[in-house]
Amino acid sequence: ETGVTQSPTHLIKTRGQQVTLRCSSQSGHNTVSWYQQALGQGPQFIFQYYREEENGRGNFPPRFSGLQFPNYSSELNVNALELDDSALYLCASHPLGGRETQYFGPGTRLLVL
Amino acid sequence: RKEVEQDPGPFNVPEGATVAFNCTYSNSASQSFFWYRQDCRKEPKLLMSVYSSGNEDGRFTAQLNRASQYISLLIRDSKLSDSATYLCVVTMIKAAGNKLTFGGGTRVLVKP
Repeated sequence: ETGVTQSPTHLIKTRGQQVTLRCSSQSGHNTVSWYQQALGQGPQFIFQYYREEENGRGNFPPRFSGLQFPNYSSELNVNALELDDSALYLCASHPLGGRETQYFGPGTRLLVL
Repeated sequence: RKEVEQDPGPFNVPEGATVAFNCTYSNSASQSFFWYRQDCRKEPKLLMSVYSSGNEDGRFTAQLNRASQYISLLIRDSKLSDSATYLCVVTMIKAAGNKLTFGGGTRVLVKP
C-alpha cells in the first residue's frame, strides 16, 4: 500500500455539474500531482501542487482547478462537466523534484452522463 | 507525435515463455524512466526504474537506449499473474513540476 488515499471511489454526475475529488498524500510527501486516465489510454498529467500553489500544469482547460492544504492533502475541482471528462482520476504524492518516483492512490472513477 | 509511444498489444504469451516489448520517447532531454504495471480498473504501480546500464529485478529486465530513445522490458518465465498493462513512463527532474509522461500501455495476457 502506498499510503495515498482518494475519495470518493466512484461518482456519477451529469453534464454541466461540478465535482470535487479529494486526495490525502503519503506521509512525508509535500507534492501532489493529478492525472486523468481515459479508458484504454495512459494517464495524462493535469497539474501539480507544491506548498499550496500550482507548480506545473498539463494541457487541461481552466475549468480544471485544484487546491492543496497545509497538511499536503489536495482537491481537484472540475466545473461544467462534459461527457469526455468521464475517466479515472489519479492522485500521486511524492517529494518535489529528486529521482524518487510518484506513488498513486486508488483513483476516483467519474462517469458523466 | 505522442511523447511516449507503446505497442498496445495484446501480447498473448504462453505461461513460462519470455516476452519483450519496447517504448519510444521523443524528448531527448528526458532523464528518468520507469515501468509501471496497471491491473484492470486499478491504479498504476511502480514495477521498476530503468537505469542507463540496464537493470534486472527477478524475472524482469529493463534496458535504456538513449541514442535511439527507447526503453524495453523483458519478462522471463511468464506467470499468469504477469497479465496486466505495462505503462512506460518518462520524466525530467526539475524543481518545478516534474510530471510523469505515460505511454498508452502494452497489454500482456499470459495464458496456461
